Amino acid sequence: GQQLNQSPQSMFIQEGEDVSMNCTSSSIFNTWLWYKQDPGEGPVLLIALYKAGELTSNGRLTAQFGTTRKDSFLNISASIPSDVGIYFCAGQSLGGATNKLIFGTGTLLAVQP
Amino acid sequence: EPEVTQTPSHQVTQMGQEVILRCVPISNHLYFYWYRQILGQKVEFLVSFYNNEISEKSEIFDDQFSVERPDGSNFTLKIRSTKLEDSAMYFCASRTRGELFFGEGSRLTVL
Repeated sequence: GQQLNQSPQSMFIQEGEDVSMNCTSSSIFNTWLWYKQDPGEGPVLLIALYKAGELTSNGRLTAQFGTTRKDSFLNISASIPSDVGIYFCAGQSLGGATNKLIFGTGTLLAVQP
Repeated sequence: EPEVTQTPSHQVTQMGQEVILRCVPISNHLYFYWYRQILGQKVEFLVSFYNNEISEKSEIFDDQFSVERPDGSNFTLKIRSTKLEDSAMYFCASRTRGELFFGEGSRLTVL
């Protein structure tokens, strides 16, 4: 089945540092999404990307949809303690009745004040 | 803001027992999903439901699993005879055409 490889697996950084994580796939996706999951909660959408090459920002977050449609990255600038959590990329192939998401393996982010 | 709600938040059950996890999707949404997340692992697709029938299911969703939309608001996941490896967080999600909204999850612990 489709697999999304996400790296790094975990990051331990100081408050104020910038963070970068990426996701690669062997399959093409029409849409890339980035979610954040806090402990004991469901994933919350951060950024959605709909076109190859698209670069989108949401506050301190910036994400790009790779031109091959097989990869995406997420950057967080000037990290703060509340950025702590697990970040998942997800790919979506449109068409049909499903449009299910395939999730990446996750990046655990720890921010030390 | 509309949200997907799930009950129970946590259920502990004995192996072999039946479990029903309940979800109330956002009211005007048409597509419904169940995902599973084993502790420390990624979120995995289980099943999608549209127009009162399953539109796709993963290899995880075997004969022990079933879904129902018994009325206009609830969407349930039933596990007929739970196994230890069914212990996980189960997330319900719904959407219309765009963003997928997730509930906060139901934690299932099978002893």
